[in-house]
Amino acid sequence: EVQLVESGGGLVQPGGSLRLSCAASGFTVSSNYMSWVRQAPGKGLEWVSVIYSGGSTYYADSVKGRFTISRDNSKNTLYLQMNSLRAEDTAVYYCARDFTVTTRWFDPWGQGTLVTVSS
Amino acid sequence: DIQMTQSPSSLSASVGDRVTITCRASQSISSYLNWYQQKPGKAPKLLIYAASSLQSGVPSRFSGSGSGTDFTLTISSLQPEDFATYYCQQSYSTPWVTFGPGTKVDIK
Repeated sequence: EVQLVESGGGLVQPGGSLRLSCAASGFTVSSNYMSWVRQAPGKGLEWVSVIYSGGSTYYADSVKGRFTISRDNSKNTLYLQMNSLRAEDTAVYYCARDFTVTTRWFDPWGQGTLVTVSS
Repeated sequence: DIQMTQSPSSLSASVGDRVTITCRASQSISSYLNWYQQKPGKAPKLLIYAASSLQSGVPSRFSGSGSGTDFTLTISSLQPEDFATYYCQQSYSTPWVTFGPGTKVDIK
């Protein structure tokens, strides 16, 4: 079964750091595009970052320079390192397989992990 | 940046109703449009990809259509489990993708 399980969320002070993990099973992370998508409380979905199978990475302007996406092939795990966190980064963070053929879509998604940035 | 809008932002419907949700892009995105369903406290679920292709395992009462700037998601006969929020997502401007603001479907 194809599955994604996030972990690492929690409460952090503004300016702090947090690393999210996304453990995959049923497929190989390094052979796929993988993305992070977030959802602020009561709000819509916002794409955050993608890592291509070849290793290229891209970020939304709102997190560029503060967040870093990476993967550990030996652990089949995706990561999101979040630095200089702001209150507006408070959200549920989802990892998703970024399925690309002629277009791109996200499937499956993990269950999400909540990040709260507050003093 | 490609902006996505959805209408209506919310709707109330009864079981058995035909429901149509519209998604509009600020510029042509060909058929680079996907639809997701999200229930409270759950992750989004892919319903339709490439504007009109039904994801495996998704009931056939869901259908998508459109190309260019205007797209629709139709539920032919609304079921109790379909009450949720629906999002469109464009991938024309890859790697940067954007979602619509969502349409909440609740019980009349």
